[in-house]
Amino acid sequence: DAGVTQSPTHLIKTRGQQVTLRCSPKSGHDTVSWYQQALGQGPQFIFQYYEEEERQRGNFPDRFSGHQFPNYSSELNVNALLLGDSALYLCASSLGSQIYGYTFGSGTRLTVV
Amino acid sequence: KNQVEQSPQSLIILEGKNCTLQCNYTVSPFSNLRWYKQDTGRGPVSLTIMTFSENTKSNGRYTATLDADTKQSSLHITASQLSDSASYICVVIILFSGGYNKLIFGAGTRLAVHP
Repeated sequence: DAGVTQSPTHLIKTRGQQVTLRCSPKSGHDTVSWYQQALGQGPQFIFQYYEEEERQRGNFPDRFSGHQFPNYSSELNVNALLLGDSALYLCASSLGSQIYGYTFGSGTRLTVV
Repeated sequence: KNQVEQSPQSLIILEGKNCTLQCNYTVSPFSNLRWYKQDTGRGPVSLTIMTFSENTKSNGRYTATLDADTKQSSLHITASQLSDSASYICVVIILFSGGYNKLIFGAGTRLAVHP
């Protein structure tokens, strides 16, 4: 039973570029949440997708957008990258709002130079 | 404002010793509290999850306590091992009506276990 898988594991981009990160939820899960974690900080909530719609959003600019596909996988897109976007991006999946099965992926380390 | 504060920020202990990490929260309405272990560059892995009615929960050498009256939680690690070196994150979860949940993360305590 595969857990949450994220790709790529590492990525280096230049300021101003655009990036797409991908997440496949754990089998049986239908809800995907994205987080940004700066070095030495706790994860910050970006947004959550359920039934292919953005259901909740944190305090992130419109440069951050996402999508959920019919198979529940999800993408996080960041446009016009800034140096401050360098972080570990985590995806978590769950079945609806159930907390007990809330599972994180290993993350994508994004470096903006 | 919903906040989760952890202390200490970092901690160094010798292998085999015990330690206790603290978490104070000002989150309302409270649903449950979770402790995660996060290795460097990896995703958080759940250690314990407690509802407001639970006072203690154990997972091997990890024991979490919760005092919902004082809004404090602690994570006690017994007989530490080198592999316990990681960040430990306290997360308070709010469950809203309508099926929405919100996770409030602490900044974590970075634990280093030395031989």
